[in-house]
Amino acid sequence: NAGVTQTPKFRVLKTGQSMTLLCAQDMNHEYMYWYRQDPGMGLRLIHYSVGEGTTAKGEVPDGYNVSRLKKQNFLLGLESAAPSQTSVYFCASRAHGGGNQPQHFGDGTRLSIL
Amino acid sequence: SQQGEEDPQALSIQEGENATMNCSYKTSINNLQWYRQNSGRGLVHLILIRSNEREKHSGRLRVTLDTSKKSSSLLITASRAADTASYFCATGGSNTGTASKLTFGTGTRLQVTL
Repeated sequence: NAGVTQTPKFRVLKTGQSMTLLCAQDMNHEYMYWYRQDPGMGLRLIHYSVGEGTTAKGEVPDGYNVSRLKKQNFLLGLESAAPSQTSVYFCASRAHGGGNQPQHFGDGTRLSIL
Repeated sequence: SQQGEEDPQALSIQEGENATMNCSYKTSINNLQWYRQNSGRGLVHLILIRSNEREKHSGRLRVTLDTSKKSSSLLITASRAADTASYFCATGGSNTGTASKLTFGTGTRLQVTL
């Protein structure tokens, strides 16, 4: 029962470097989400996807790009990392069902930008 | 911006006592959900209450929803040390553009001591 798996778990980057965070779910869920969590801010939605091949902007999309080429994977990219992107990133997925479905979360990627 | 604001920000109680945390939100909702986050882990779904429901129970959890006041409360009865975690409310929107997303509050940190 893997659920939602995020890789890597930790990463340190230098300003200006790029990287991709991978989220994989094995529950055949239609919807997938990327959030960032900062102290005292709760979770803020970066981008989300309502199905394979679709993506949409969330509350804080600037500086990030996403792709959903396969239903089970949702990738979050940072093209040119900035210190303000130091955060814990969470991926989540949920089944289709009119919004009344719980989201299932991975254990996060802790990213530090120096 | 955060949809939900939780109160209190932090709560410390002794094992066996009840814990109550509150959530207020700003716009119309389809449902309201509560999640738990243990330190260093992802969020785990606890309970969902629909906008046409007023109260819901699940084990030691009791959730109420007052849509006229745009507020919800989570009661944990007979708390245990294992309940120590952060608790977040999240609202699912009622409009086409918001129904597929959740907006999270800032969370309540609960500490249960022996």
